[in-house]
Amino acid sequence: GAVVSQHPSWVICKSGTSVKIECRSLDFQATTMFWYRQFPKQSLMLMATSNEGSKATYEQGVEKDKFLINHASLTLSTLTVTSAHPEDSSFYICSACPGGRNQPQHFGDGTRLSIL
Amino acid sequence: QQPVQSPQAVILREGEDAVINCSSSKALYSVHWYRQKHGEAPVFLMILLKGGEQKGHEKISASFNEKKQQSSLYLTASQLSYSGTYFCGSPFSGGYNKLIFGAGTRLAVHP
Repeated sequence: GAVVSQHPSWVICKSGTSVKIECRSLDFQATTMFWYRQFPKQSLMLMATSNEGSKATYEQGVEKDKFLINHASLTLSTLTVTSAHPEDSSFYICSACPGGRNQPQHFGDGTRLSIL
Repeated sequence: QQPVQSPQAVILREGEDAVINCSSSKALYSVHWYRQKHGEAPVFLMILLKGGEQKGHEKISASFNEKKQQSSLYLTASQLSYSGTYFCGSPFSGGYNKLIFGAGTRLAVHP
C-alpha cells in the first residue's frame, strides 16, 4: 500500500520551456502533498506544501510564480516549472501524506530535470 | 531548524553494526526515519512519537529520547541492502506532517 507515482521520471528540454510534473497517490487519498528539490549528495529541500483545494504554501526563497503548484484532487498534485533555465536543473521529488496527524510521507520516484 | 545527523558517513562490512544519531537544539515532537538509495526516492522506515519509544523494522531499530532531543537508528548485522543515505526528519510543529530533514548519513555496506 501507500504507492505514489511521479511522472515523468526524466526530462531534458531547452531553456525557456515550461515543464509539468505530476504526483499521484494511487491507493490512498492525500490531503497534503509536498514538493522537494534535491541536489547531488544533499538533503531534501522542501519547496512547498500542497493542500487539496487550496493554494500551496511556499518555503522562503522559493518563487511561487516560477514553481506553480496545483492540487486539484485528493490524489493529484502538479508542479510546473515555468520558463525553465539551466539553474533549475535538479532532482524534484514529491511526497504524499494521508489525512491525520503524525503520518509518514510516501515519496514518488522523483523527476530528474535537465535544462539545456 | 535542521536536525543534525552524525556521522556523515559510515563504511561497514556485511554483518557489522552501526548507529546513526539525529539531534536538534529545538524540541523534537517526533522523529521520522527514511532511507534513500542512489537515484531513488526515500523510503519510509519508521516514526517515533513519544519519548522513550523504540521501534524496529527488520534488523533496524530506533529510539527516541525526547528530553535529550535526539533519536538514534541502530542497524544490526548489516546487510548489503542496507546501503544508502539515511535521513531523519522532524516536524516543523507538533502533530503536523511537514518535515525538515537532516543532512543525511551515507552508509555503505561491503561484502
